[in-house]
Amino acid sequence: GAVVSQHPSWVICKSGTSVKIECRSLDFQATTMFWYRQFPKQSLMLMATSNEGSKATYEQGVEKDKFLINHASLTLSTLTVTSAHPEDSSFYICSAPGTGGDEQYFGPGTRLTVT
Amino acid sequence: AQSVTQPDIHITVSEGASLELRCNYSYGATPYLFWYVQSPGQGLQLLLKYFSGDTLVQGIKGFEAEFKRSQSSFNLRKPSVHWSDAAEYFCAVGTHSGNTPLVFGKGTRLSVIA
Repeated sequence: GAVVSQHPSWVICKSGTSVKIECRSLDFQATTMFWYRQFPKQSLMLMATSNEGSKATYEQGVEKDKFLINHASLTLSTLTVTSAHPEDSSFYICSAPGTGGDEQYFGPGTRLTVT
Repeated sequence: AQSVTQPDIHITVSEGASLELRCNYSYGATPYLFWYVQSPGQGLQLLLKYFSGDTLVQGIKGFEAEFKRSQSSFNLRKPSVHWSDAAEYFCAVGTHSGNTPLVFGKGTRLSVIA
């Protein structure tokens, strides 16, 4: 089946620094990828839709200048958390639609801790 | 817009007992429905999905779910729970186009006692 990977699986960074999270579709191409955020003991909330070759679209309340998304190729989308703050600490999960178009494939997630 | 309601935040069952986790959805067209399981600190694992056809869907780990259009429900069931089933369970709804994101319910935490 289709596989989506994320790197790193966990990261600790200091407040004020930036951190980049990669989401890759390993055996299929994805013109669209989705980024979700999950706070402890909460559900997944969509942050943004990443579109290959064009700008990402962000959900209401998500700061596009803080969460930079780049979808430079058909297999890679990156999420950069700029000037991270402790409240950005969360579990970030990406997904990509399969080639059949009817199912999402989720990455294993990246746990970000900002100290 | 789609929405998903999981009315039970936390359920505790005894090992070997049956389980039913409730899920209600709101969507104007025929929904694509999913159940995922998440262990602490882990990603999502797909248990089963419903797109069309037989309304009783079989999944992995002995789980099944039944789509009831009249009740806008997609409840997850398992006849005999194992201690390893303790986890967080999420119901999600999508559209016929995979190029739209899923909308998740708030999740139900399952605890299993001996």
